[in-house]
Amino acid sequence: GQNIDQPTEMTATEGAIVQINCTYQTSGFNGLFWYQQHAGEAPTFLSYNVLDGLEEKGRFSSFLSRSKGYSYLLLKELQMKDSASYLCAVMDSNYQLIWGAGTKLIIKP
Amino acid sequence: GAGVSQSPSNKVTEKGKDVELRCDPISGHTALYWYRQSLGQGLEFLIYFQGNSAPDKSGLPSDRFSAERTGGSVSTLTIQRTQQEDSAVYLCASSKGTPDVSGELFFGEGSRLTVL
Repeated sequence: GQNIDQPTEMTATEGAIVQINCTYQTSGFNGLFWYQQHAGEAPTFLSYNVLDGLEEKGRFSSFLSRSKGYSYLLLKELQMKDSASYLCAVMDSNYQLIWGAGTKLIIKP
Repeated sequence: GAGVSQSPSNKVTEKGKDVELRCDPISGHTALYWYRQSLGQGLEFLIYFQGNSAPDKSGLPSDRFSAERTGGSVSTLTIQRTQQEDSAVYLCASSKGTPDVSGELFFGEGSRLTVL
């Protein structure tokens, strides 16, 4: 079966760095997405990786290793507004998105 | 509109009643998805519309669920004879083209359904 695993919850301190991991087992691979979802709001797109390596976008970076079925989202200089759930999703060989359950990130002052 | 619009934002209904949830995608987006989000679960795919093609209904959990997309724009998700396990947030998303070309989805804020 297809599976996306990510931690349920993480806590970090304002100003620090946090890494949210995502491992996947899917039927084929056509890219990996990270979305941010604040409580009660719509998920919003953060990043897309289809090739191995690191993609940097401001304070957020996303890494992919296809051979290991592994990705992480790195958030630097954490701000209180970064408190949200972070959703990992993989596009399989049929271009269907398979979603993880999300990681709730709590930022403490 | 500027974004994906869903209504109602909240719906409380009694078990056995029918409900309709509406999604108005971003203008010009040919792809429209319905997902269900339950607490602690990943987004569950329900149905996918792409242009004038036949929809992919493979995610609909039972024949009580159906969806339409009129004129390639607005979509309605209908749940008949609601059950308590149908309680969830129903999210609609749209994208510019086919998933192999434009995978990024733009989500609405969802319709929270509570079945008593």
